[in-house]
Amino acid sequence: SQKIEQNSEALNIQEGKTATLTCNYTNYSPAYLQWYRQDPGRGPVFLLLIRENEKEKRKERLKVTFDTTLKQSLFHITASQPADSATYLCAHSSGNTPLVFGKGTRLSVIA
Amino acid sequence: DAGVIQSPRHEVTEMGQEVTLRCKPISGHNSLFWYRQTMMRGLELLIYFNNNVPIDDSGMPEDRFSAKMPNASFSTLKIQPSEPRDSAVYFCASSPDRAFTYEQYFGPGTRLTVT
Repeated sequence: SQKIEQNSEALNIQEGKTATLTCNYTNYSPAYLQWYRQDPGRGPVFLLLIRENEKEKRKERLKVTFDTTLKQSLFHITASQPADSATYLCAHSSGNTPLVFGKGTRLSVIA
Repeated sequence: DAGVIQSPRHEVTEMGQEVTLRCKPISGHNSLFWYRQTMMRGLELLIYFNNNVPIDDSGMPEDRFSAKMPNASFSTLKIQPSEPRDSAVYFCASSPDRAFTYEQYFGPGTRLTVT
């Protein structure tokens, strides 16, 4: 079965730096990866989707890259701010299979 | 649009009692998902519907769990009888399309505590 691994349970960075979160998946191609943000006591909120044939996707200060050889996606937040502190979830689908979520990385941006 | 609406937001019940969680998806979305989130297991899909029809319920942990979607604007997840290990946050999400290449919109969740 599909496994999604987010390599860090928690990540602390200084304000203004770039945060980089990693998501690895084990099976199934084609691959579609979604990234969500979850704040305490709230439901996940969709951020970005990247398809297997896309190398990179951007949205404001967010950037997602995809390396199908490594079966890995990197999620970057540039010029990080304390307001970016949250848990970030990665989710994989092959397109017609349900999303499988990683356990998330809890990001803390320190002022 | 108000987004996905879930009720109640919090539920505390005793072991053996019946629990019913409710969800109203975003109008016009034709797929609805029920998830459970715990610290140990993360976010897990329980069941999903497309056009009110259950498509995959393989994530439902056991027969004590059941879900219905009688119309496009309402779904319920029922646990009967409830057990302490059912304590978790239950999320409902909806999506504009059946394909999993579309984003999902999550509700605020129901925090269930079974004592």
